[in-house]
Amino acid sequence: AQSVAQPEDQVNVAEGNPLTVKCTYSVSGNPYLFWYVQYPNRGLQFLLKYITGDNLVKGSYGFEAEFNKSQTSFHLKKPSALVSDSALYFCAVRDTYSGNTGKLIFGQGTTLQVKP
Amino acid sequence: NAGVTQTPKFRILKIGQSMTLQCTQDMNHNYMYWYRQDPGMGLKLIYYSVGAGITDKGEVPNGYNVSRSTTEDFPLRLELAAPSQTSVYFCASSYKGLETQYFGPGTRLLVL
Repeated sequence: AQSVAQPEDQVNVAEGNPLTVKCTYSVSGNPYLFWYVQYPNRGLQFLLKYITGDNLVKGSYGFEAEFNKSQTSFHLKKPSALVSDSALYFCAVRDTYSGNTGKLIFGQGTTLQVKP
Repeated sequence: NAGVTQTPKFRILKIGQSMTLQCTQDMNHNYMYWYRQDPGMGLKLIYYSVGAGITDKGEVPNGYNVSRSTTEDFPLRLELAAPSQTSVYFCASSYKGLETQYFGPGTRLLVL
């Protein structure tokens, strides 16, 4: 079965330190991978995606993610965390069995807490 | 450009009542999706549509219905509300199936 796993329910980091939010996936074929962020009482906002090409993808608000095919991972990173980065982060992968419908499989989410 | 809009923002329903959650997008997107978000569970796909007049079931369609008479609108109908439908509902849209999905602000539904 196709799936996405975010192994950490919560990640705590001090402001100014680098952050990593982990994501691993299991799909057949070539993965299309996404990261979204959700601030309290808001909808999901797109951060970045990997379709093909360079394994290091740069996105919004200084975030980047590294695609690692051998480890089936797509970890989200930022060199220097801000308190305003505190939010709920979702990793998602396209359901490759669904053709071009765009159906996404989401991880359960990771809460990022950045402390001053 | 308002993007994806959803109404209402919050609603309390009694068991057995019905309601329609509205979703509208002004980006001329062909694909639209309804998700529900439960704590610690991520988002689950309820229904989706690849164009006006075409809808299909997602992972958790039971208890819901949808229609897509126009490109802009994709309402979600709950016929007989149950406590298990207490959740936050998100509508999303994309231009094509493999493109980025853009989400609305959500509707918080409480069934008592």
